[in-house]
Amino acid sequence: KAGVTQTPRYLIKTRGQQVTLSCSPISGHRSVSWYQQTPGQGLQFLFEYFSETQRNKGNFPGRFSGRQFSNSRSEMNVSTLELGDSALYLCASSLWGDQPQHFGDGTRLSIL
Amino acid sequence: GIQVEQSPPDLILQEGANSTLRCNFSDSVNNLQWFHQNPWGQLINLFYIPSGTKQNGRLSATTVATERYSLLYISSSQTTDSGVYFCAVAKNNNDMRFGAGTRLTVKP
Repeated sequence: KAGVTQTPRYLIKTRGQQVTLSCSPISGHRSVSWYQQTPGQGLQFLFEYFSETQRNKGNFPGRFSGRQFSNSRSEMNVSTLELGDSALYLCASSLWGDQPQHFGDGTRLSIL
Repeated sequence: GIQVEQSPPDLILQEGANSTLRCNFSDSVNNLQWFHQNPWGQLINLFYIPSGTKQNGRLSATTVATERYSLLYISSSQTTDSGVYFCAVAKNNNDMRFGAGTRLTVKP
C-alpha cells in the first residue's frame, strides 16, 4: 500500500507570494491533518479535514487555508507569505482521525 | 490547550543500552501516539496507545491515563534508533498536540 505522498518536496518563494501544497493520503484514509514544524515552535497543528469538511483547526492566521477533495486528497494554501512561514509542512492521514496517523515526507518551504 | 512535556530533552547512549522516555500531559486524552523522526525528517508512527501497554520488537510503551503520563522503552538500542521521539496527544480527537521531543543519539 502506498504511503502518504506530499508534493512538492522543496519549494522556494519570496515574501508576499502564495503557495499551494498537496497531500495524497493512504488509500482508504479519510482524515487528513496538516502540521507546521519549525525549530522554534516545534510541531504545530494547522487543521484536519474529513470527508471534505474542515473538522478541526489550530491557532494559525487566516492566511493558512486548506481543502479536501472527494478522493480525500488535500491541499493547503498559504497566502501573502512571510519570512516566518519558512518551515517543514507535514501531512498525516488516518482512517477516521482517532487512529494512528501516518505522515508524509513533508514539503520544505523556504521564504526569501 | 493541553500541555505536553517530554523528558529528557536529550539522551546519549552507547549501542546496546536501554532507555526510558517520558511524556506528561495536562488533561485527560483519548488519543496518544508516539513518533520517531529520523535524521532525514521522516516521522514514523511507533505506537497508538491512549491507555495500556504495547510492545513492538525492542520498543514498548505504557500509558497510565489516570495519572496523565506515558513511557516509551527502548531496549538494546541501535544506532538506527537515533533521532527525535515525539509524544502527541488529543482530547476528544481535536487537534493533536506534540511535545518538544526527546533527541536520542546512540553511539556505536
